[in-house]
Amino acid sequence: GNSVTQMEGPVTLSEEAFLTINCTYTATGYPSLFWYVQYPGEGLQLLLKATKADDKGSNKGFEATYRKETTSFHLEKGSVQVSDSAVYFCAYSGGYQKVTFGTGTKLQVIP
Amino acid sequence: EPEVTQTPSHQVTQMGQEVILRCVPISNHLYFYWYRQILGQKVEFLVSFYNNEISEKSEIFDDQFSVERPDGSNFTLKIRSTKLEDSAMYFCASSGGSGWAEAFFGQGTRLTVV
Repeated sequence: GNSVTQMEGPVTLSEEAFLTINCTYTATGYPSLFWYVQYPGEGLQLLLKATKADDKGSNKGFEATYRKETTSFHLEKGSVQVSDSAVYFCAYSGGYQKVTFGTGTKLQVIP
Repeated sequence: EPEVTQTPSHQVTQMGQEVILRCVPISNHLYFYWYRQILGQKVEFLVSFYNNEISEKSEIFDDQFSVERPDGSNFTLKIRSTKLEDSAMYFCASSGGSGWAEAFFGQGTRLTVV
């Protein structure tokens, strides 16, 4: 069945380090791919999205490219800040269908 | 910017009691969803609702759960007889307005069953 697999956390980085959180998906057809972020004690915010192969989503310095050949949508940021500490969820959706989430990766950035 | 709003933000209830969680989706959206997140765990799909009926539900969404869109703006999740294991954060989402069909999530209702 359809699923999303993302790397286990927690990930601990020093401020200004490079971030990669891996995400791969298994889905039929051409799903849309998302990264959601959940800051401590808060709800889910859409961070970025990509709706077709080779699309690059970007927001707040984060980027992810929809790679159909490797079924991946890895999240990257060149220089993380303490304020980026949160849980990041990779997710996909087939149009108006439900969003299916990965298990989440907790990121902790230390000064 | 339009947003999905949920009330209350926190609800404490005794085991066996009924609770209703309320959501106001974005006004021109057509698809509505409930998800839950047990503390520290993944976000799980419960149910989707379109055209005044359930379009999909998960195995979590058993007979204790029901959803309703009682008027043109509210979307509710009812848990008939709460159990301790229903304690979780419940998120409402909506999609299907103009533009791409990404889901917009509310801030969640933290349900604590004691």
